[in-house]
Amino acid sequence: EVQLVESGGGLVQPGGSLRLSCVVSGFTFSDHYIDWVRQAPGKGLEWVGRIRNKANRYTTEYAASVKGRFTISRDDSKNSSYLQMNSLRTEDTAVYYCIRPLVGPTRAFLNWGQGALVTVSS
Amino acid sequence: DIQLTQSPSLLSASVGDRVTITCRASQGISSYLAWYQQKPGKAPKLLIYVASTLQSGVPSRFSGSGAGTEFTLTISSLQPEDSATYYCQHDNGYPLTFGQGTRLEIK
Repeated sequence: EVQLVESGGGLVQPGGSLRLSCVVSGFTFSDHYIDWVRQAPGKGLEWVGRIRNKANRYTTEYAASVKGRFTISRDDSKNSSYLQMNSLRTEDTAVYYCIRPLVGPTRAFLNWGQGALVTVSS
Repeated sequence: DIQLTQSPSLLSASVGDRVTITCRASQGISSYLAWYQQKPGKAPKLLIYVASTLQSGVPSRFSGSGAGTEFTLTISSLQPEDSATYYCQHDNGYPLTFGQGTRLEIK
């Protein structure tokens, strides 16, 4: 069974930092890209970014709203991906999902974690 | 950036009804469109990808169509468990974006 489990969420002050972790099981992690998507309370879905696999040199893409502040990384030996969030703003308050996308010409979001809540507030 | 506009934003229908949700892209995205269902407090679930391919395990009453800039998600016979919010999402270049969502209520 495919599982993605996020951890590391919590309350942080504006300007602060937080790192989310996503541990996966049930598939060969190193073969797959990982995406992060967030959802502010009562709002819609917003793509945060993507990290590709080793075959694609672990390259990353980011949404403009987080570029330069957030960094996605991965450790294939630990079946884990990380979302390092710096210079946090109140508008970053959201549930953050870790996702395994499909493999192929389309990379729709196949498997989702349960989400980790990040609250940015003073 | 490619904008996705869903209509309607809110839809109320009865069990057994045929329901259609539309997603319009601000520029052509070929068939690189997916649909998701989200129930309260849960992560979204992939229903359809590349516009019309039904994800394994999704009931056959769900179908998708379209290409270019206009896409539809159809539920052929609405069931009580289909009450949820539905999102479209494109996969045709960065940034990936979602529609604003369509909330589907059962009368």
